[in-house]
Amino acid sequence: DAGITQSPRHKVTETGTPVTLRCHQTENHRYMYWYRQDPGHGLRLIHYSYGVKDTDKGEVSDGYSVSRSKTEDFLLTLESATSSQTSVYFCAISPGQGSTEAFFGQGTRLTVV
Amino acid sequence: GQQVMQIPQYQHVQEGEDFTTYCNSSTTLSNIQWYKQRPGGHPVFLIQLVKSGEVKKQKRLTFQFGEAKKNSSLHITATQTTDVGTYFCAGRAGGTSYGKLTFGQGTILTVHP
Repeated sequence: DAGITQSPRHKVTETGTPVTLRCHQTENHRYMYWYRQDPGHGLRLIHYSYGVKDTDKGEVSDGYSVSRSKTEDFLLTLESATSSQTSVYFCAISPGQGSTEAFFGQGTRLTVV
Repeated sequence: GQQVMQIPQYQHVQEGEDFTTYCNSSTTLSNIQWYKQRPGGHPVFLIQLVKSGEVKKQKRLTFQFGEAKKNSSLHITATQTTDVGTYFCAGRAGGTSYGKLTFGQGTILTVHP
C-alpha cells in the first residue's frame, strides 16, 4: 500500500465543535484529496490540493476547509460540526499527470452527535 | 460542474453470471479510472483508460472508454464470489481542472454462490 496515513481512524464529536482530520503521505505525490462516503452517494469530493498552499473546492465543500502547508500533510477542518457531516472520510493521493491513479487511506469514521 | 453518473446502483447476480456497470460524464474526460472497494475497505485502483474507444482487459474484466470520451463501462464475465464489492468509475477533466478526480456513485455487486 502507498504510504498514506489518516488520523484519527475513528472520532465521535458533539455538534458545534471544531474537528480536524489529518492526512499524511510519504510518497511526495502532488495531488491530495478529501472525499466523504455516504450510502447511496458514493465518493463525493470535498476539497483537493494540487500543491503546497494550492487547493480547490469539490462538489460538497460547504462547512469544510482545508490546508496544505507541507507536501506531506493535508488537513480537513470542520469548523462547526453538524450531524449531516457524520460520514466516512477518505484521503487520497495521486502522483500527477502521466501517472494519475489515486491511492486511498484507510478512512476516518466520524460521528457527530 | 463536472458530474459522473453510474448505473445501476445495485446488482445481484448468481455466481457464474456476467455483470456490467456503466458510467456517464456530463463533460468530456481526459481519462477515466475504475476502482474496487471491498466491504469495509478503501477503494483500490483497477485501471485507467485514456484514448477514445479504448478497450482493456484484465482476466475476466473488460473496460471500455467511449468514442466521445464521456462514457465508460466495466464488464465482468462469469462472476465469482471474490468479485463482491463496490465498483466506482472516476473521471478527470482536462486543462486546469486536471487535478480534480470525480467519482460516480458506484455499483454495489453482490454475488450469490
